[in-house]
Amino acid sequence: DTAVSQTPKYLVTQMGNDKSIKCEQNLGHDTMYWYKQDSKKFLKIMFSYNNKELIINETVPNRFSPKSPDKAHLNLHINSLELGDSAVYFCASSRSGTGKNIQYFGAGTRLSVL
Amino acid sequence: AQKITQTQPGMFVQEKEAVTLDCTYDTSDPSYGLFWYKQPSSGEMIFLIYQGSYDQQNATEGRYSLNFQKARKSANLVISASQLGDSAMYFCAMREGRDRGAQKLVFGQGTRLTINP
Repeated sequence: DTAVSQTPKYLVTQMGNDKSIKCEQNLGHDTMYWYKQDSKKFLKIMFSYNNKELIINETVPNRFSPKSPDKAHLNLHINSLELGDSAVYFCASSRSGTGKNIQYFGAGTRLSVL
Repeated sequence: AQKITQTQPGMFVQEKEAVTLDCTYDTSDPSYGLFWYKQPSSGEMIFLIYQGSYDQQNATEGRYSLNFQKARKSANLVISASQLGDSAMYFCAMREGRDRGAQKLVFGQGTRLTINP
């Protein structure tokens, strides 16, 4: 059973297109995140939702819009894709209030913008 | 200023040897959490070990242990009896503040570990 699953795993698209990445977790967690990993492997937070409420929005262009229909899902929609959006996007989830708040990651979505 | 620093871009170790991956952090918050993740060539991020700032003992998980030196602000990962499958990128990360809902992890640059047979 995959705990945090992302689809698709690979996404190749043209500049200017709009695309979505979906994320689902079956861990019963209340918090979900999107991170971006660039070509140098550097990971940075983009967004975080706690109980469907947007908590963290880390100076990401407004072409990126997260949506959390329920606590188990967090999707990422990207409008007007640019070359610089090429990266690996990771979804993660955690349970708050445990004292540790360990984040568990999905397998990543490799986005290539041509 | 860098919050998390991993000074070893790459390390090469013989199989069965122990290896220490360095991590130093910078925070003024007395409450924080430190994490290590493994990223194999397949790309997924795997949680390895956690250390809380108030934990008295160093964390251990199987062959992984965390050498936590609070005064020096270091949280080195020790892998005992290394195996070929340990070859991967390793990331140190920090959560600042107490666990209070959605909190970001700040990651270091990573260390690429290669285990030689």
